[in-house]
Order: sequence, then structure tokens, then C-alpha cells
Amino acid sequence: GDSVTQMEGPVTLSEEAFLTINCTYTATGYPSLFWYVQYPGEGLQLLLKATKADDKGSNKGFEATYRKETTSFHLEKGSVQVSDSAVYFCALSDIGAGTYKYIFGTGTRLKVLA
Amino acid sequence: EPEVTQTPSHQVTQMGQEVILRCVPISNHLYFYWYRQILGQKVEFLVSFYNNEISEKSEIFDDQFSVERPDGSNFTLKIRSTKLEDSAMYFCASTGTASSYEQYFGPGTRLTVT
Repeated sequence: GDSVTQMEGPVTLSEEAFLTINCTYTATGYPSLFWYVQYPGEGLQLLLKATKADDKGSNKGFEATYRKETTSFHLEKGSVQVSDSAVYFCALSDIGAGTYKYIFGTGTRLKVLA
Repeated sequence: EPEVTQTPSHQVTQMGQEVILRCVPISNHLYFYWYRQILGQKVEFLVSFYNNEISEKSEIFDDQFSVERPDGSNFTLKIRSTKLEDSAMYFCASTGTASSYEQYFGPGTRLTVT
């Protein structure tokens, strides 16, 4: 079945450092891919999305490119801030396979130090 | 901005008791979902609901679980006889149309079964 694999956390960076959080997926159809962020004590917020191969999603300085050849959707940010400290979830939705559910990765906790 | 709301934010119950978790999806949305996140683990799909019936459910969603849309605004998840392993954060989500890939999540209800 479909699955999402994320890099293990926690990831600890200094402010202004470059961030990469790896995400790879397996899917039977042509999934849409998402990154969600969960700040402490809050729910899941959509950070960015990409619905087809080679699409680049971007928001708040974060970017991710849908790479079908490597089945990846890695999250990047050029310069992280303390306020980016949160848990980041990669997810897919394989609507083409007839399902609307999301499949999530395990989440990666990011801690940014001032 | 419209948002999904959930009540209560935290529910403590004894094993064997029934609980009802409540969600108010975004008002013009038609597709509704429940997910759960056991502490420290990934977010898992439970059930999707459309047109007053279940569209899809996971293996987790056994006979102890049920969902209902009792009126035009609420969407509920009932657990008939709670077990210790039901302790988790439960997230409600909604989306407007079948072709809309983005699900909007509520802040979650933390269920603690003692």
C-alpha cells in the first residue's frame, strides 16, 4: 500500500541555518503531496503542497519539489528562524487510486536555537 | 478565515466508558475525516464521510467506533467502550470538494483513557 517515509528527528539547527527534511513516498497512483506543520499545542496546518510531478510548492520561505523519478518531496528552507520550531509532517493523498485519505509520515521535530 | 473547531480540547475517561468527540467542519465543506495520533507516533487515518455515509475506513475503525453528522454543522466520532490504547489525539478534517486536495484540520481533542 501507499506509504510515506520521513527522516528521523529531532533536527536541531542554529538560527539562519539551512534546513532539509527528507521525505520519500510509495504510491500506486499519482498522489498529491503535502507538508503540514504542527506548532506546540496546536493542530495541523498546511505548509505547502504539490499536485503533480515537477511542481514546486512554496510558502513562508519553505519549498519542496515533487520529484517523481526519485519519489521524493524534500522540504527546504534557506534560513530558519526560532519561530520555525515545530513538528513537520509529510503526507500524500492518492486520489487517483480512488481514495481521499491522507497518509502521513512519522513527523520530524525541528528545534531552532537562537 | 473559516476554521475547523473541535470540542473538547481534552477528555479524560475511564476504560469501558463511551466518549463522543465533536467537530464543526468549515460550513460549506462536504467531505469529513477523522484521524488519530498516538503520542509520538504518526497521524493515522480513521474514517472519511460524505453524503451522510462512510466513504472509507481503516482497519483501526472497528465496531467500537461510529461517526455521525447529527445536524447541518456537527460531525461526531463516538467510541462505545474505550480502551487504554484509544488514548491519542484525535483530529477532524474537512474539504470542500472531491477534487480539492487540501484538507483543513481542527486543533484536535486529546483523549486520555485511564
